[in-house]
Amino acid sequence: QVQLVQSGAEVKKPGASVKVSCKASGYTFTSYYMHWVRQAPGQGLEWMGIINPSGGSTSYAQKLQGRVTMTRDTSTSTVYMELSSLRSEDTAVYYCARAFGGWGLDYWGQGTLVTVSS
Amino acid sequence: DIQLTQSPSFLSASVGDRVTITCRASQGISSYLAWYQQKPGKAPKLLIYAASTLQSGVPSRFSGSGSGTEFTLTISSLQPEDFATYYCQQLNSYPPTFGQGTRLEIK
Repeated sequence: QVQLVQSGAEVKKPGASVKVSCKASGYTFTSYYMHWVRQAPGQGLEWMGIINPSGGSTSYAQKLQGRVTMTRDTSTSTVYMELSSLRSEDTAVYYCARAFGGWGLDYWGQGTLVTVSS
Repeated sequence: DIQLTQSPSFLSASVGDRVTITCRASQGISSYLAWYQQKPGKAPKLLIYAASTLQSGVPSRFSGSGSGTEFTLTISSLQPEDFATYYCQQLNSYPPTFGQGTRLEIK
């Protein structure tokens, strides 16, 4: 069965960086793009970007350009999302989610809470 | 960016009720619209894709319709487990934006 298992919660200080992992299993890793979506406390869903696990190409939300980097390791079927220069507004649950073609996000990780606080 | 506006933002209903949530796009998105259900503390769950196609395993009381700029999600007979927040998402163009959400609560 398809599973996306994310790394654990993080607490970071403003200005620091965080790297969240998402390990995929149960399907051919390189055959499906992966999205990252975040959700601030009590707020809606915000799309962050997408990575093609096959070639590594990426596309990011404009507001995060220059601060976000998505990478993958095909040997471990893992995608990573790194966010730098953290500020309090980056406090959120971060999700990886598999792309179902261009039609939706069909499998989601369990979420990783990142708290940015001094 | 394409803006998605859901209405209502909050809905109070009873078990057995029929409810409809609307999602309007700021420009045409063909049928590239998905609906998700999210329960507190959980990841979103894909319910419907391509505006009207039910995801595998989703109960048939859920249905979607629309194309272009106006879309609806209908739950034909609310069950206790349906009380949650619902989001639409467009995947016609990047960035793939979400609506602001509709919170469905028990009356």
